[in-house]
Amino acid sequence: DAGVIQSPRHEVTEMGQEVTLRCKPISGHDYLFWYRQTMMRGLELLIYFNNNVPIDDSGMPEDRFSAKMPNASFSTLKIQPSEPRDSAVYFCASSLMTQDTQYFGPGTRLTVL
Amino acid sequence: TQLLEQSPQFLSIQEGENLTVYCNSSSVFSSLQWYRQEPGEGPVLLVTVVTGGEVKKLKRLTFQFGDARKDSSLHITAAQPGDTGLYLCAGRTGNTPLVFGKGTRLSVIA
Repeated sequence: DAGVIQSPRHEVTEMGQEVTLRCKPISGHDYLFWYRQTMMRGLELLIYFNNNVPIDDSGMPEDRFSAKMPNASFSTLKIQPSEPRDSAVYFCASSLMTQDTQYFGPGTRLTVL
Repeated sequence: TQLLEQSPQFLSIQEGENLTVYCNSSSVFSSLQWYRQEPGEGPVLLVTVVTGGEVKKLKRLTFQFGDARKDSSLHITAAQPGDTGLYLCAGRTGNTPLVFGKGTRLSVIA
């Protein structure tokens, strides 16, 4: 079985541009998580979904960030407009239940110039 | 807010040496997990501990959960270059999402 798939793997953009990150969770997993990782702040939970419904978005830094999960096999994290401080590695993870093992994708390295 | 403090932040050792890294909190966790993350990849789960005082072994890695379920340690015996990576601890209270520490970055030099 394929693991969690993320695209793109790398994204370089200029300040003010819209950025869309994509994630395909493991088939059959009901939970999907978006994380951001930086050296300063470590791995932070941004938002998570259960059965395509957002459950907790308290980690989303501000209104410039939005996430959707239109179906069980696809989710997006959008930043509009992007800023240099958004530069980080963004991970998607999925799990069967909230207390089960989370399987992480390879991440998207975002650089905002 | 539950915080997990990991120490040391960085560790560089020679192949064959032993090491211990720590994960501490003022909060009580129902379970605690250790992950290893290699460059360019996502974290991969190594172990989950749920009982205070629990000890689990994974080959040369020994994980211990503190009696009060507020802290944990990871001990590696005879470290090898393949052990190089970022070691993350993550705790959970009840049904809440995982909270991650910032990690210990280990480098094992051949």
